Order: sequence, then structure tokens, then C-alpha cells
Amino acid sequence: SQKIEQNSEALNIQEGKTATLTCNYTNYSPAYLQWYRQDPGRGPVFLLLIRENEKEKRKERLKVTFDTTLKQSLFHITASQPADSATYLCALDTGDSSYKLIFGSGTRLLVRP
Amino acid sequence: DADVTQTPRNRITKTGKRIMLECSQTKGHDRMYWYRQDPGLGLRLIYYSFDVKDINKGEISDGYSVSRQAQAKFSLSLESAIPNQTALYFCATSESGAVGTDTQYFGPGTRLTVL
Repeated sequence: SQKIEQNSEALNIQEGKTATLTCNYTNYSPAYLQWYRQDPGRGPVFLLLIRENEKEKRKERLKVTFDTTLKQSLFHITASQPADSATYLCALDTGDSSYKLIFGSGTRLLVRP
Repeated sequence: DADVTQTPRNRITKTGKRIMLECSQTKGHDRMYWYRQDPGLGLRLIYYSFDVKDINKGEISDGYSVSRQAQAKFSLSLESAIPNQTALYFCATSESGAVGTDTQYFGPGTRLTVL
């Protein structure tokens, strides 16, 4: 069956360090992968999109990689700040041209000052 | 003003009651979605609509119905609420575009509790 996995354990890091979050998937062939940020009690907010033919995408302190062989995406936040503390969700298109996204359950990031 | 609004923001109801959650958007997007979010399960798609006349079931549509009253409005109904429908509900919109490239814009959510 199709599955998206994100580390359910919270990631706890020191301010200034690089945070790395992982998104693994099985039985999908997505053309695109997206990352969203969700703060408590709020809706997810789009951060980055990466296509299957792109190895890496950057936006300010954010970097996303997409390895279709490993079926994995890594999401990096460099020079992390306490304001980066949130839950980060990955989402994949279903690969069947249906315009739907499948979301992972998210990984909570806590950046200590 | 927010681009995607949801009402009510919080609702407590009893088993068997009919509940309607409303979503409005000012983004002019054709596509609208309803999700529910449960701890540890992530966002799951209930229904989605690509225009006023196109409504489709998502992965967990049982016990729910929807109505697309206009391009800007998409309502979710629970005909007879049950406790396991207690969850955080999100409405989202996206603009027509190539598959997978249309980012989704979410409302603030409705926290529903069914006693």
C-alpha cells in the first residue's frame, strides 16, 4: 500500500544548528513533493516544492532534496532559530494526475535558544 | 482579511446531531478540499471539488457530505455526528495548474468535538 513516513519523534536542536527532517515514501511515483509548515492550532502553510527531476531546491535558509531512487526527501533549515519551531509536513502528488496531495503526519521541530 | 476562512472555529456537539462546517475563500481558486487531522495520522482528504459541478470523494468520505454552493464556498456536513469524528477540520484551496504543482492554501481550521 502507499505510505508516507515522517519521523514521529520530535527533533530537538540548539539554535544556530542545522535541522534535517526526513520524508520517506513507498509505492508512489510522485512527480512533485511539497513541504508545509504548521504551527499549533493553525492551518499548514506552503514552503517549498521540488520536482522529480530536481535534485535540490533552496529558499533562504531552507533546502530540500529529492531522491527518487531512495524514495526520500530531506528538508534542511540552516542557522535554525526558535521561531522555526513548528511541525513540518511533506506532501506528494498521488502520481495519477488526480490533483490530490497525500500528506505525511509531520515532524515536530523544537529549536532551543 | 484571511484568504480562506472557516466557521465555526470551535464546535462542541452531541452524538447524532447534524453539523455543518463552512468554508469561504477570496483567492478566486477553482479547487477546494476538506481534510481532517488527527494526532499521529496527519491530514486525510474527505472530499474535494474542482469546480461547482465537480465533487469527488476522498479517502475517508463515509459519514460526511459536501456542498459547493459557489466557486468561493464549500461546506462540509456531518449528517449524524459520532465521537470518532472528533478532530481538527481544514478547508484548503488551490489554483488550477499542472498536476502536483498547485500549492494548497489552508484555512485556520475548525476544532470539532462530538460528545
